[in-house]
Amino acid sequence: KAGVTQTPRYLIKTRGQQVTLSCSPISGHRSVSWYQQTPGQGLQFLFEYFSETQRNKGNFPGRFSGRQFSNSRSEMNVSTLELGDSALYLCASSLKGTGDSPLHFGNGTRLTVT
Amino acid sequence: AQKVTQAQTEISVVEKEDVTLDCVYETRDTTYYLFWYKQPPSGELVFLIRRNSFDEQNEISGRYSWNFQKSTSSFNFTITASQVVDSAVYFCALSRSYNNDMRFGAGTRLTVKP
Repeated sequence: KAGVTQTPRYLIKTRGQQVTLSCSPISGHRSVSWYQQTPGQGLQFLFEYFSETQRNKGNFPGRFSGRQFSNSRSEMNVSTLELGDSALYLCASSLKGTGDSPLHFGNGTRLTVT
Repeated sequence: AQKVTQAQTEISVVEKEDVTLDCVYETRDTTYYLFWYKQPPSGELVFLIRRNSFDEQNEISGRYSWNFQKSTSSFNFTITASQVVDSAVYFCALSRSYNNDMRFGAGTRLTVKP
């Protein structure tokens, strides 16, 4: 079974631009979560989608948004990029989307904002 | 509020030493789940174990063992006879019962020297 796939692996953008990251979950997984990982703040929860609906959202500004498609694939968008958005963005999928269902992570997209 | 604390930022041991990674959590929920993940240099978080709040049995899996104590809100992870391949960042995480909003600790970077 293929794991969680994130594309692209690396991105370099300029302040003010926008970016879209993509995530393909494990086949059959309906829940997709996004996390931002930085050396200073660690792993921070961005949002979670289940059956195309955003169920939970972390404490991030509205510049961070996402969506999930009917095939459970998900995209995350960041508009008006700031230097502080440089981070590793991790996508995770889970089978049931409940607390007992482990998250399975992709390799991440490393975003650098210059 | 849900919170996970991993007080040990970095640990360095010599191969074959035993090492324990500490994790303390805070939650008001009666039903919750605790997890440990490993993040090797490649970046992908790898699920190691899940424990629910009603199961305080210790668990052993090869060289890995976990000690869950509700009385002290701790879920510690011990690696016996450590190996160089165990070098990674280890994260403890807490999840509520009904969703995938998983909160992670800051992580402990373990370095095992030959």
